[in-house]
Amino acid sequence: KAGVTQTPRYLIKTRGQQVTLSCSPISGHRSVSWYQQTPGQGLQFLFEYFSETQRNKGNFPGRFSGRQFSNSRSEMNVSTLELGDSALYLCASSFEGSGTDTQYFGPGTRLTVL
Amino acid sequence: QQPVQSPQAVILREGEDAVINCSSSKALYSVHWYRQKHGEAPVFLMILLKGGEQKGHDKISASFNEKKQQSSLYLTASQLSYSGTYFCGTEGGTSYGKLTFGQGTILTVHP
Repeated sequence: KAGVTQTPRYLIKTRGQQVTLSCSPISGHRSVSWYQQTPGQGLQFLFEYFSETQRNKGNFPGRFSGRQFSNSRSEMNVSTLELGDSALYLCASSFEGSGTDTQYFGPGTRLTVL
Repeated sequence: QQPVQSPQAVILREGEDAVINCSSSKALYSVHWYRQKHGEAPVFLMILLKGGEQKGHDKISASFNEKKQQSSLYLTASQLSYSGTYFCGTEGGTSYGKLTFGQGTILTVHP
């Protein structure tokens, strides 16, 4: 099976712009979770989608949003970018997103905000 | 609350053993262990479930003490390829798709 794919792999944006990141889960997986990874804060949960519905959300401002399509692919959007949004954004897919499910991570999108 | 991992870093020679601990102040339903190499995605190693079930890597073992809300990852006869940052991710049984990760343990294996 192909793994989780994320596009683009690298992005450079300036403050105030917005960005959209894409994640394609492993075939058959219906849950997609998004995480932000920074040296200072580590891996932090953003949100989770299952069957096109957001089921869970972390403690991030409303500038961070996402959606999921009927084929389980997911996108994440960050509006009005701030310098502090520079991070590695990881998505992870699992079969159904339960606590017994293994989450498989994609390679991530490295976002740099100038 | 974020689980606490210890030690923060460990340096080994090939063939030596190591133990990485993960402790939570919250009741846990499952503990997930990952290894991340620099510039790469976290790679799944092991999942431990409340009740004793384990799923994961053949050469790595782990334990889950439900009463103490602690998990330990045991790396035996370490290889150079074991180098990386190890994360534990915890889940309380009610939170869809959300793992709360520890700060990571940096493992370096030298020849």
